Amino acid sequence: NAGVTQTPKFQVLKTGQSMTLQCAQDMNHEYMSWYRQDPGMGLRLIHYSVGAGITDQGEVPNGYNVSRSTTEDFPLRLLSAAPSQTSVYFCASTNTRGRGAKNIQYFGAGTRLSVL
Amino acid sequence: AQKITQTQPGMFVQEKEAVTLDCTYDTSDPSYGLFWYKQPSSGEMIFLIYQGSYDQQNATEGRYSLNFQKARKSANLVISASQLGDSAMYFCAMREVTNTDKLIFGTGTRLQVFP
Repeated sequence: NAGVTQTPKFQVLKTGQSMTLQCAQDMNHEYMSWYRQDPGMGLRLIHYSVGAGITDQGEVPNGYNVSRSTTEDFPLRLLSAAPSQTSVYFCASTNTRGRGAKNIQYFGAGTRLSVL
Repeated sequence: AQKITQTQPGMFVQEKEAVTLDCTYDTSDPSYGLFWYKQPSSGEMIFLIYQGSYDQQNATEGRYSLNFQKARKSANLVISASQLGDSAMYFCAMREVTNTDKLIFGTGTRLQVFP
């Protein structure tokens, strides 16, 4: 079972560069999300999607774009990287067909990003 | 507004002892779910246990149990018979039924188990 796959695992960028963090899940989950994790701040929601073609903003969306053209993939784009975007990024998915509070989110292994 | 508070930045416990990690939450939604995740030094997020707001009994999963006190809005994680492999960060999280698109996390507690 692959589950949620994130690539790359590590990335170093220069300020102003753009890049895309990839996320794919093979569980046919409707809901996918992106978080960033910073020391002492837990995980904060960046963007999420409740299904193909539908995305919405989370707590900290500025500087990030997302799209959801398929159920499986949910890439996160940094258009012009800034040092403040140095963080660990997690993608997660959950099956929300049985909609309710119990749906467990399954996480990818994370991408460690440094912006110089 | 939804909020999760973990007031213990770090905890120490001796191997084979039990430990309680605190979590309090704030919500106006009568229906919600509470989760605990473990993050070992390798970095992945591992789901441990779930408690629903209408569940009559406290959740248990092996050595993990959740001490759910609804009136106090607390959902403490109890780890019995600690093992060295339990050393990790632990995060409490909540999802409201009326806002099921968002899972809100606390800031975490770092647990260190010593021999």
